[in-house]
Amino acid sequence: QSALTQPASVSASPGQSIAISCTGTSSDVGGHDRVSWYQQYPGKVPKLVIYDVTNRPSGVSDRFSGSKSGNTASLTISGLQAEDEADYYCGSYRTGHTLVFGGGTKLTVL
Amino acid sequence: EVQLVESGGGLVQPGGSLRLSCAASGFAFGSTWMIWVRQAPGKGLEWVADMNTDGSEKFYVDSVKGRFTMSRDNAKNSVYLQMNSLRAEDTAVYYCAKDLGWLQIDYWGQGALVIVSS
Repeated sequence: QSALTQPASVSASPGQSIAISCTGTSSDVGGHDRVSWYQQYPGKVPKLVIYDVTNRPSGVSDRFSGSKSGNTASLTISGLQAEDEADYYCGSYRTGHTLVFGGGTKLTVL
Repeated sequence: EVQLVESGGGLVQPGGSLRLSCAASGFAFGSTWMIWVRQAPGKGLEWVADMNTDGSEKFYVDSVKGRFTMSRDNAKNSVYLQMNSLRAEDTAVYYCAKDLGWLQIDYWGQGALVIVSS
């Protein structure tokens, strides 16, 4: 069982928007603005798409955005494209110096 | 260009040892915390360990404490993971990673596969 809870899968059609949730506790997601999101294609290396809850690294599409409310963070992808189909993981700093991840969400673009 | 290149993975018997190496380039290695993350086949990501810039502070996930040791050589721009008393559940791809800050990873190595099996 992962430390952070994500839905196992989400799906939507091209052009639509989706949000992937990541629920933790006040010791991690809720207590620190250090939530990151990673995109991983099958057999490939993870790629950072969001850090510090809302920030996008250079080169990441502005269709990706992040937010947080209480103990739940969310990754929103707007204007879905076929290339967005991948696994997405959230990560959070946890009090006491630990990095915790969610179990991952498989995004299917129908 | 940031590059992280792992080496040292392979097949090892339960109870055995293995040392992973990660050669870094393209950034100020000596000023950067480094992280190891693993991913078991078909599973999610798991933080394994991380270390501060001079190696004086090290942190480990509970399941590897006392068995794994992380180290670094800033003169060689390299970080290492010594893995002892390996178990079947340690089987995974091990990623060397660069810490953006507060355990957020901005660059990942290509991964080193470790298989623990008799």
